[in-house]
Amino acid sequence: SAVISQKPSRDICQRGTSLTIQCQVDSQVTMMFWYRQQPGQSLTLIATANQGSEATYESGFVIDKFPISRPNLTFSTLTVSNMSPEDSSIYLCSVAKLAGEPQETQYFGPGTRLLVL
Amino acid sequence: AQSVSQHNHHVILSEAASLELGCNYSYGGTVNLFWYVQYPGQHLQLLLKYFSGDPLVKGIKGFEAEFIKSKFSFNLRKPSVQWSDTAEYFCAVNGNSGYSTLTFGKGTMLLVSP
Repeated sequence: SAVISQKPSRDICQRGTSLTIQCQVDSQVTMMFWYRQQPGQSLTLIATANQGSEATYESGFVIDKFPISRPNLTFSTLTVSNMSPEDSSIYLCSVAKLAGEPQETQYFGPGTRLLVL
Repeated sequence: AQSVSQHNHHVILSEAASLELGCNYSYGGTVNLFWYVQYPGQHLQLLLKYFSGDPLVKGIKGFEAEFIKSKFSFNLRKPSVQWSDTAEYFCAVNGNSGYSTLTFGKGTMLLVSP
């Protein structure tokens, strides 16, 4: 597996502001993803972070609201822009295709718990 | 579109009771299947996975799951639960050919009373 860290672990933000969440992996991975887990709900994929190109967004998520960067094979950021209380959620980074792993198992970071007032 | 259905949102058991959590999926092709667990205050961890071969897979902490293709099911079992198994359990599926999106069920909250 991989060791995945996220910063910040939690934050309280005012509506209208933006927050950037960082995801760092201790080894190179092919694929990185960002998920949202709203209170009492399951995980929903926001986007696939592609290294060197624009992220691939799922239906209902757009780049202007959730810009993503992936400058290399071990790091990605997700920004939650122009936040509203509806964005209060846990945001999780996950990775797949670790070196030596031929199949697509995803491993998850600890999450960033966001509260928007 | 693929989907995952978990039968129970909450399950309450006493210690030493047997556990079976239901998971059914809908997907138009061969699948990879996963169970993840989220202990209170901890992050999501992989419990077990099925890609191919023996449909009965064993995971960590005494858990196992059986893939029944004809029933589109991947139920999670444990013969004797412990208080420390209190957690939320998520079933997930993705396609087996190339890469496809991982789709999660809504989760089952298991509470084991001592």
